[in-house]
Amino acid sequence: GQQLNQSPQSMFIQEGEDVSMNCTSSSIFNTWLWYKQDPGEGPVLLIALYKAGELTSNGRLTAQFGITRKDSFLNISASIPSDVGIYFCAGSNTGNQFYFGTGTSLTVIP
Amino acid sequence: ETGVTQTPRHLVMGMTNKKSLKCEQHLGHNAMYWYKQSAKKPLELMFVYNFKEQTENNSVPSRFSPECPNSSHLFLHLHTLQPEDSALYLCASSQDGVLAQYFGPGTRLTVL
Repeated sequence: GQQLNQSPQSMFIQEGEDVSMNCTSSSIFNTWLWYKQDPGEGPVLLIALYKAGELTSNGRLTAQFGITRKDSFLNISASIPSDVGIYFCAGSNTGNQFYFGTGTSLTVIP
Repeated sequence: ETGVTQTPRHLVMGMTNKKSLKCEQHLGHNAMYWYKQSAKKPLELMFVYNFKEQTENNSVPSRFSPECPNSSHLFLHLHTLQPEDSALYLCASSQDGVLAQYFGPGTRLTVL
């Protein structure tokens, strides 16, 4: 099936730094989603994007739906220790079937 | 609060056992999903239900049997599983099958 390339695979950053990660696909998507998953828990929806070029914020998080519709970006500003976790992107072009990235593992050093 | 609950949270079973996973969504959604999450792999979609009708079965072995009695409840019946079936099983729901999916906390399954 469709695979998304998510990068970087892992990040180690200092508390207070900004974080950027992205997701690319070989296919055009109509929807991009970003999730965060803590160990032993299910993914929690952070931001949903439904329109090419859309830029949406949720607190310190900002995500963008790429103009080509084949990529999406997530930025976290002024990171804090509770931002630690795995961040997943997901994309869909048909509904029902969402394809997921392999995740970006974020470690924040106090 | 997630709005999607799953029980049990942890399950250990032998290869000859029969068990069931339960999912309930409190969001008023009409589509529900089962996913399998294994280490170092992307989430794998297993089953999709829209308005209680199964619309997707992604080549899942018959030892996994889903059941959706209504749009709020979803079950995954397990029998004669293999050790490689050990994983985190996640349930999700969405509205109309096209909007964002909301996940439950998952059931950590270990098959001995």
